[in-house]
Amino acid sequence: AQSVTQLGSHVSVSEGALVLLRCNYSSSVPPYLFWYVQYPNQGLQLLLKYTTGATLVKGINGFEAEFKKSETSFHLTKPSAHMSDAAEYFCAVSDRRYSTLTFGKGTMLLVSP
Amino acid sequence: DTAVSQTPKYLVTQMGNDKSIKCEQNLGHDTMYWYKQDSKKFLKIMFSYNNKELIINETVPNRFSPKSPDKAHLNLHINSLELGDSAVYFCASSPLEVDTQYFGPGTRLTVL
Repeated sequence: AQSVTQLGSHVSVSEGALVLLRCNYSSSVPPYLFWYVQYPNQGLQLLLKYTTGATLVKGINGFEAEFKKSETSFHLTKPSAHMSDAAEYFCAVSDRRYSTLTFGKGTMLLVSP
Repeated sequence: DTAVSQTPKYLVTQMGNDKSIKCEQNLGHDTMYWYKQDSKKFLKIMFSYNNKELIINETVPNRFSPKSPDKAHLNLHINSLELGDSAVYFCASSPLEVDTQYFGPGTRLTVL
């Protein structure tokens, strides 16, 4: 069975500050890992994903994440937060057999001016 | 060009009623899914269909029945609605054997 733990239901940063959203996973097979973003009253949009290869993955809107197998982590970062980054962020791990996603509980990113 | 669309966007109904949510994708994907997002924003897979065949049914009550008339559509029928069914339901699709899923805008179901 797979699981995802996102530390912190809310993260607050100032505009221009570093964004760090934490994600740890548990998987019995090499994982596929994802970060999705959900803006208010909208569906989920893929930010980035790790499948194989380079462990530092770059995504849209300046976000990146690093897969660290030894730490079972896939933390999401952005060097400089923008007001438009305020949203709910979900980390997910894939069941590669059936391609279903197991999501973490989400982290709400709040950006203050 | 909406990739994954859902109708209706909002659905308010009384306990005990039967309702349906429709999902269509124009991406040519082989696999479609239904997820439920509860009031705490927790997302959980309900069903997965591959080429109109049910692949995953994650301990969902029998009152929920997905129907896939063709590869581009996956509808969700819910019988005898209960208060606890209130949630946002998301449809998603993905190409065969590729894990990136594309989500619809969601349907907010409120059961009174």
